[in-house]
Amino acid sequence: AQKVTQAQTEISVVEKEDVTLDCVYETRDTTYYLFWYKQPPSGELVFLIRRNSFDEQNEISGRYSWNFQKSTSSFNFTITASQVVDSAVYFCALSERSYNTDKLIFGTGTRLQVFP
Amino acid sequence: NAGVTQTPKFRILKIGQSMTLQCTQDMNHNYMYWYRQDPGMGLKLIYYSVGAGITDKGEVPNGYNVSRSTTEDFPLRLELAAPSQTSVYFCASSYLDSTDTQYFGPGTRLTVL
Repeated sequence: AQKVTQAQTEISVVEKEDVTLDCVYETRDTTYYLFWYKQPPSGELVFLIRRNSFDEQNEISGRYSWNFQKSTSSFNFTITASQVVDSAVYFCALSERSYNTDKLIFGTGTRLQVFP
Repeated sequence: NAGVTQTPKFRILKIGQSMTLQCTQDMNHNYMYWYRQDPGMGLKLIYYSVGAGITDKGEVPNGYNVSRSTTEDFPLRLELAAPSQTSVYFCASSYLDSTDTQYFGPGTRLTVL
């Protein structure tokens, strides 16, 4: 079955530390998409990145970077020089599309707390 | 451009009451989704729609109903509220299917007592 595992339930760091959030997925599909969303304390879900299964290039956006490794079925997210505003729950998600379903499968999230 | 809007933000229901959670998007997206988020868990899909007049069940549809009469609106109805339906409900939309980016509304926090 399709599945997303975020084994780190909670991570605490001090500001300016680098932190990596792990995401491991299982899928039968040869073509799929992976996503990261941020849920700050205010509760909304903010889209961060979308990556397709054919593109294994790492991506960097400011202090954020993503490492996609198909060989280990992982899509890890690193925040460099973390800031208090990065405190949130981060969700990794996997697309699942078949004859009878069309949805995102979410991991259970990693709560990141950044202390000043 | 408001994106995805949801009303109400908060609601308390008594067991057995009914209510409708409203969701509207102004991005002309074809696909719309309803998820629920329970404490410490990820989001689970309740229902989704690929266009006006077409809806389909997700992982946890029991106790809910939906309709999609227009592209913009996708209301979620709870007929006989139960404590197990206490959750935060998110509506989302995307132009294409689940391989496309979904944009989420702010959520509705529902408590059933």
